[in-house]
Amino acid sequence: EIVLTQSPGTLSLSPGERATLSCRASQSVSNNYLAWYQQKPGQAPRLLIYGASSRATGIPDRFSGSGSGIDFTLTISRLEPEDFAVYYCQQYGSSITFGQGTRLEIK
Amino acid sequence: QLQLQESGPGLVKPSETLSLTCTVSGDSISSSSYYWGWIRQPPGKGLEWIGSFYYSGSTYYNPSLMSRVTKSVDSSKNQFSLKLSSVTAADTALYYCARHARGADFFDCWGQGTLVTVSS
Repeated sequence: EIVLTQSPGTLSLSPGERATLSCRASQSVSNNYLAWYQQKPGQAPRLLIYGASSRATGIPDRFSGSGSGIDFTLTISRLEPEDFAVYYCQQYGSSITFGQGTRLEIK
Repeated sequence: QLQLQESGPGLVKPSETLSLTCTVSGDSISSSSYYWGWIRQPPGKGLEWIGSFYYSGSTYYNPSLMSRVTKSVDSSKNQFSLKLSSVTAADTALYYCARHARGADFFDCWGQGTLVTVSS
């Protein structure tokens, strides 16, 4: 099983700042099959990024994904108030596993 | 517009079987393009994939849960169901149904989730 480790556990930033979230895999993710989701309290997760770097339909371009192999990054270029949430990575190159999440909170 | 809606008992006793149903509207679960899956989230914790299936029968499960999971499909009602046997308190979670494309196992549409508590 591929274990995904997200860091940091909690990220405290202010609106307008840049957020960088990390997801590291215990082994290489084939074909860079990695997705990112955003989850707000009381809501289901929302797909942001798939294939490591492709934005899902309707996702603003301030969200971007990068990386390959075992190291992946989600970047939010300029934080909006609605971006403060929990973010999960998921790999689908070998079965399906999720990371434990990064909480992005307002500083 | 695609919508998924989970339904379940809310409370299940330890050692019993948990049964959940997902009703799909806006798309057919017999669509050749998609798999349908289940994901759960214990209160205050992260996400865990349970399993996914294709309408024609292809199914794959999380190895850690595979021995306790069965699925069924009712195409006439556009519903699919999950049964998880021998439940314990560790199975207490918010259970989501979701869709992913064939060969692209990321979930692009989710239900709102249904909370299942395992307690005597």
